[in-house]
Amino acid sequence: DTGVSQNPRHKITKRGQNVTFRCDPISEHNRLYWYRQTLGQGPEFLTYFQNEAQLEKSRLLSDRFSAERPKGSFSTLEIQRTEQGDSAMYLCASSLGTGDTEAFFGQGTRLTVV
Amino acid sequence: RKEVEQDPGPFNVPEGATVAFNCTYSNSASQSFFWYRQDCRKEPKLLMSVYSSGNEDGRFTAQLNRASQYISLLIRDSKLSDSATYLCVVNPNAGNMLTFGGGTRLMVKP
Repeated sequence: DTGVSQNPRHKITKRGQNVTFRCDPISEHNRLYWYRQTLGQGPEFLTYFQNEAQLEKSRLLSDRFSAERPKGSFSTLEIQRTEQGDSAMYLCASSLGTGDTEAFFGQGTRLTVV
Repeated sequence: RKEVEQDPGPFNVPEGATVAFNCTYSNSASQSFFWYRQDCRKEPKLLMSVYSSGNEDGRFTAQLNRASQYISLLIRDSKLSDSATYLCVVNPNAGNMLTFGGGTRLMVKP
């Protein structure tokens, strides 16, 4: 499968624990995005990488959230000291070139904080 | 005010009907526009890009009105398989983040 791959697909964690999600973009794509989506809402932008550089971060991305993309390949999103409000679907997308090109999404990681 | 606004619906239409969705955006400098489709519990997928001159893809027509800052999607001859959430997406400055509307839910009934 050469699409965007996200792991794990589902994660249940206790409040206060740390979690890390992984995204493997389409191999030649230089742009990688993280979004968060809650039920009945559209995806909300979290952060964006151009190769290994993190170029934009949303105000939604509090100090408890950190994202990396070492070597411009896969990316990780870590949430520290999880809160119930962090429960959502975390979507990763990748694209090639300019913002006019199609962004391909992974199937997401569904996080439930109990 | 949200950057990209859509009527959440749901729009309930019979098979064969024509249905139109609108979307408004707040950033007049926005450069790129798209419609994405999202099926229940699935990831969003590109339906079509929206060009200044308007564009058509089969039963789907997208139009952009820069002066009024809105985008429209027209679906003709609705099929049951068109049932989904339609997301309006704006790229405020080419190359950066895609900003999504909240989505409009369409339900096509037999």
